Order: sequence, then C-alpha cells, then structure tokens
Amino acid sequence: NAGVMQNPRHLVRRRGQEARLRCSPMKGHSHVYWYRQLPEEGLKFMVYLQKENIIDESGMPKERFSAEFPKEGPSILRIQQVVRGDSAAYFCASSPRQGNEKLFFGSGTQLSVL
Amino acid sequence: RKEVEQDPGPFNVPEGATVAFNCTYSNSASQSFFWYRQDCRKEPKLLMSVYSSGNEDGRFTAQLNRASQYISLLIRDSKLSDSATYLCVVTSRANSGGYQKVTFGIGTKLQVIP
Repeated sequence: NAGVMQNPRHLVRRRGQEARLRCSPMKGHSHVYWYRQLPEEGLKFMVYLQKENIIDESGMPKERFSAEFPKEGPSILRIQQVVRGDSAAYFCASSPRQGNEKLFFGSGTQLSVL
Repeated sequence: RKEVEQDPGPFNVPEGATVAFNCTYSNSASQSFFWYRQDCRKEPKLLMSVYSSGNEDGRFTAQLNRASQYISLLIRDSKLSDSATYLCVVTSRANSGGYQKVTFGIGTKLQVIP
C-alpha cells in the first residue's frame, strides 16, 4: 500500500511563473491537507479538501493560490505568478475519513523561486 | 494566544538522559492529541496518540492534562537517533463546517549529544 505521493520532489521556478504541486493520497483516503513550511519554522495549515470539495481554505492566501481535489486524479496546489517569498517546503497529508485525525504525510515538494 | 504553543528549544541533552517536553493548547474543547516527529528536511511522522489515561510506547510516555490544557512527552534513555523536532498536534471542532481542525505546534527541537 503506497504512502502519500507528492511530486515533484523539487521544483524550481522563476518569478512570475506558475507552480503546480501534486499529491496522491494513500489508497482509501479521501481527505487531503496542504501545509507550508519555511526554514526553521513550523507547519502552517493552508487548505483542507475532500473529494471535489474545499472544506477549509482559511490558511491559503487569497490571491495566486488555489487548490483542487478532483474526483479522479491527485490533489493539485497551484501557485500563479510565484514570488521569492513562496519558496518553501509544501507538505501534503491524507486521512481516511472525517474524525480520524491521524495524518499521513508525503515527502513534500521543495519549491525554490529564483 | 496561539492555539498550540511549544518551546522551540533547542533542548541539548546527553545520551542516556531523560527529557520532557510540554505543549499547551488554548481551546478547552479540543478533542484529540498527538505527538509527531520531524527529522530535518523530512515529512512529519506520527509518533504517538495522547490519551487522558496516559500512554507509553517503549522509552516514550505521553500524558494529557485536560484541566491545565497541556500535553507532555517524556523520553527516557535518550538515543542519538532521537534527535529531531517533536510536533504537538491538537484537533478541535472548526468554527464553521463542523469538521475537526488539525493544528500543529511550531515544534520542539531535541539534540542528543554523544
């Protein structure tokens, strides 16, 4: 049973480009969380999604950031017109159902904006 | 006041020592509690759940004190491999939507010294 899969592992973008980060949850998990982590800082919640629904996006910047979790395929975190301050590690986590808060994390995507 | 507060450390302890971390939470209605471990540049991994009755897993003991709103993690006979950041995690019902919101503390850094 494969764990949470994130790709790419590393992503380099120039300012103004778009970044797409993908997350495939564990088999049987329909709940996905995205977190951002800056160096030497804690995990910051961004968004919580269930299949085809955004449940809580209170941690996501209002502009340039969006997330989706379609019926088929991975969850996507999209950052448009990236800036240097977007450079961070982005972790995705999944859980099997609402009420089970044990989260299983992917290895993360390290985004570097030049 | 932050929802989940931890002393970021670092805690530098010699091998074989016993070390304890505390974590306080602000929402008295919080429902589930966990400790995660995060190694440098890696994803967080679930270490153990925390129950009111306390629970033990080998050298690790976790306690929950609902009256004082804190949880603790005790590590006995520290090993070099215990060096990591320990994240306190608390879940509580979100203001909107009724789902369980998962909140991470900033983490406490432990360095075990030979």
